[in-house]
Amino acid sequence: DAGVIQSPRHEVTEMGQEVTLRCKPISGHDYLFWYRQTMMRGLELLIYFNNNVPIDDSGMPEDRFSAKMPNASFSTLKIQPSEPRDSAVYFCASSQARAQAGDFRTQYFGPGTRLLVL
Amino acid sequence: AQSVSQHNHHVILSEAASLELGCNYSYGGTVNLFWYVQYPGQHLQLLLKYFSGDPLVKGIKGFEAEFIKSKFSFNLRKPSVQWSDTAEYFCAVNAPGAGSYQLTFGKGTKLSVIP
Repeated sequence: DAGVIQSPRHEVTEMGQEVTLRCKPISGHDYLFWYRQTMMRGLELLIYFNNNVPIDDSGMPEDRFSAKMPNASFSTLKIQPSEPRDSAVYFCASSQARAQAGDFRTQYFGPGTRLLVL
Repeated sequence: AQSVSQHNHHVILSEAASLELGCNYSYGGTVNLFWYVQYPGQHLQLLLKYFSGDPLVKGIKGFEAEFIKSKFSFNLRKPSVQWSDTAEYFCAVNAPGAGSYQLTFGKGTKLSVIP
């Protein structure tokens, strides 16, 4: 399995621009999570989906952030307009609710997208 | 809601020294516990996990962790560290009884191993 795939790996943009981060979860996984990692706040859960439906978006910082999961193999996290304080590493992770014993609820992380907003 | 505390922000050890990283969580019900490692510039990788059974869990690369329910702790240990263990270590908890599939992470402990 290729693991969780994220693109782009690096993104540099100017304040006010729209940024779209992409994630492909592990095939067969029915949960998808978006995290943000910064030095100040550590690892924060932004939103997660189950079977393509958003379950908890209480971690989304503000209306500038939106996430979608149009199908089981693709999700996007969009920031519009972007601000310098959005600079962070954004991770996507997936898990499988009905996995074999021992793998239940284990989250597997993608390589992350390093975002820099100037 | 559950929370996770990792008391050490940065630990510096010489090679071959023994390691113990503390992790405490706050949740009164059944928990699933995890340790993840993040090597410099890389993503989080699972080191080990505890779901049930033997409270002493062995993971990859010689790491182990012990779940002590009475102390709400899940400390990570390794008898002899190597330079390649330099990384950041995150403890995480999931509370299945709360019907939640999300993990709550600690702030992480940065480990620097000096050759």
